[in-house]
Amino acid sequence: KNQVEQSPQSLIILEGKNCTLQCNYTVSPFSNLRWYKQDTGRGPVSLTIMTFSENTKSNGRYTATLDADTKQSSLHITASQLSDSASYICVVSARDAGNNRKLIWGLGTSLAVNP
Amino acid sequence: DSGVTQTPKHLITATGQRVTLRCSPRSGDLSVYWYQQSLDQGLQFLIQYYNGEERAKGNILERFSAQQFPDLHSELNLSSLELGDSALYFCASSTRQVEDTQYFGPGTRLTVL
Repeated sequence: KNQVEQSPQSLIILEGKNCTLQCNYTVSPFSNLRWYKQDTGRGPVSLTIMTFSENTKSNGRYTATLDADTKQSSLHITASQLSDSASYICVVSARDAGNNRKLIWGLGTSLAVNP
Repeated sequence: DSGVTQTPKHLITATGQRVTLRCSPRSGDLSVYWYQQSLDQGLQFLIQYYNGEERAKGNILERFSAQQFPDLHSELNLSSLELGDSALYFCASSTRQVEDTQYFGPGTRLTVL
């Protein structure tokens, strides 16, 4: 069964600290993996997209890694800011039994950055 | 601003009623997606339309329906509303494929009393 699992479920860190969020997936065949940031009450915004051949991709203070062999991805946030407080969602693209593309959404990690 | 607009922003109604949520995609985007997000829950994919045709269905109830019009705007119709339908409903659009970056609207917060 295609699944995306994220950990931890929630995380609290102090402003200025780094953190790493995890995403494990059991999706096959794999097409790409995205990380979205969702501020409370607002729509998600895409941070990064990674295909099978990419290991690392950065977007400012956000760095995503992908290990397609172990089916794991991580999102590293450097020098956190209060505005980083949000839910971070991992989304994996796959194909269903009818060879149609579909997205598998994780439940997200809720990050709180405290002053 | 993602370029995706949704109306209304808030909607309060009673059980058993019917409501319509509206979405206008980004200029040039052909795909529209609808999602439901209940309080403190993950996003639940409901349905996707591509250039006026239904492309994919997720966990959409039979009481819910949607359509995409020739001008590419979309409407989500929710009928026989129940308390449990209270949620944020997001519309997103993308250029073509489901793997393309999806741009989300601000959402419609539905409260069923």
